Amino acid sequence: DAGVIQSPRHEVTEMGQEVTLRCKPISGHDYLFWYRQTMMRGLELLIYFNNNVPIDDSGMPEDRFSAKMPNASFSTLKIQPSEPRDSAVYFCASSPVDRLYGYTFGSGTRLTVV
Amino acid sequence: GQSLEQPSEVTAVEGAIVQINCTYQTSGFYGLSWYQQHDGGAPTFLSYNGLDGLEETGRFSSFLSRSDSYGYLLLQELQMKDSASYFCAVKAAGNKLTFGGGTRVLVKP
Repeated sequence: DAGVIQSPRHEVTEMGQEVTLRCKPISGHDYLFWYRQTMMRGLELLIYFNNNVPIDDSGMPEDRFSAKMPNASFSTLKIQPSEPRDSAVYFCASSPVDRLYGYTFGSGTRLTVV
Repeated sequence: GQSLEQPSEVTAVEGAIVQINCTYQTSGFYGLSWYQQHDGGAPTFLSYNGLDGLEETGRFSSFLSRSDSYGYLLLQELQMKDSASYFCAVKAAGNKLTFGGGTRVLVKP
């Protein structure tokens, strides 16, 4: 298995631009999670899906952030408009229902907003 | 809400033993997970304790005491490649993990 695949690995964008991060979970995993990691706030959960349905988006910072999962093999996290404080590493993780203690994380997208 | 406390940094020499403690406050607790993250890398799952007691996985062991809201990760026979950040994470109601701030382990020759 190729694992959880995220793209791009690095993204540098100007403030105000739209940013779209992409994730392909492991086939057969029912759950998909989006986390953000910064030095100040650590690893924080933004949103998670079960069978493509958003279950908990309480961690989404504000309306500038949105996430979708149109099918079992693809999810996007969009920031519009982006701001410098959004600079972070964004991780996608997936898990089968019987392993919700041991997610598999993707390699992450390092986002820099200038 | 949930909160987890773990030390920010630990330094040890090769071959030594390191214990990383984690205390937590949460409702609806199911278990405690541990992850390793190398600089520039992704968190990778190490161990999970759903019940009280010790779980051993090679050189790494993890312990949980539900009554004390406390757990630890024990790294034995430290190797240079063990230099990384280690995170405890609480699995509570809602099928999601809440991570601690991480402990940076520096292994010296």
